[in-house]
Amino acid sequence: QKEVEQNSGPLSVPEGAIASLNCTYSDRGSQSFFWYRQYSGKSPELIMFIYSNGDKEDGRFTAQLNKASQYVSLLIRDSQPSDSATYLCAVQTQGGSEKLVFGKGTKLTVNP
Amino acid sequence: DTAVSQTPKYLVTQMGNDKSIKCEQNLGHDTMYWYKQDSKKFLKIMFSYNNKELIINETVPNRFSPKSPDKAHLNLHINSLELGDSAVYFCASSQRGGREKLFFGSGTQLSVL
Repeated sequence: QKEVEQNSGPLSVPEGAIASLNCTYSDRGSQSFFWYRQYSGKSPELIMFIYSNGDKEDGRFTAQLNKASQYVSLLIRDSQPSDSATYLCAVQTQGGSEKLVFGKGTKLTVNP
Repeated sequence: DTAVSQTPKYLVTQMGNDKSIKCEQNLGHDTMYWYKQDSKKFLKIMFSYNNKELIINETVPNRFSPKSPDKAHLNLHINSLELGDSAVYFCASSQRGGREKLFFGSGTQLSVL
């Protein structure tokens, strides 16, 4: 079973702080990595994707990938109360039927 | 225009009943999916179709039967509903079999009483 592990939290940070979300995966051959945000009662929406080792920045969001350590992270700078949501790490598995495997999500609360 | 639309949004039914959820996407995507999200928010793939062909069939009871009449539609029929089937079911689509961004429908909250 190819797995994606996340710390389920909840993670609580003050407004303006950096929120750090972590994810590890078991399929060493995985090539594509995604972060989805899901507000309560809503559907997941993609906020970042990363394919190569290193950092990828988009506004206040930075995704970090280390394939050797099988580790993906998401940093949210200057956290806002509107960032309060569950963040789902997703990894595309390789071999046979490619599919997106999700972690169980980390619930983030940003306190004003 | 809604990109991925699924109906109904809420479904409340008794154990043993049969129900269907419909999904349509207007994005021109080739691949469509059904995901199940349980009460702990764990999102797990159930089925995937590429151009009407079933390509992923996870370990799902055969009471669940997907049907794709064309690449824009993927429906889910559930026979003999059980309490454990209560969950949110999301339809999704993507352009290239999962390598690209998934677009999710708004979900169907299924409650089996």
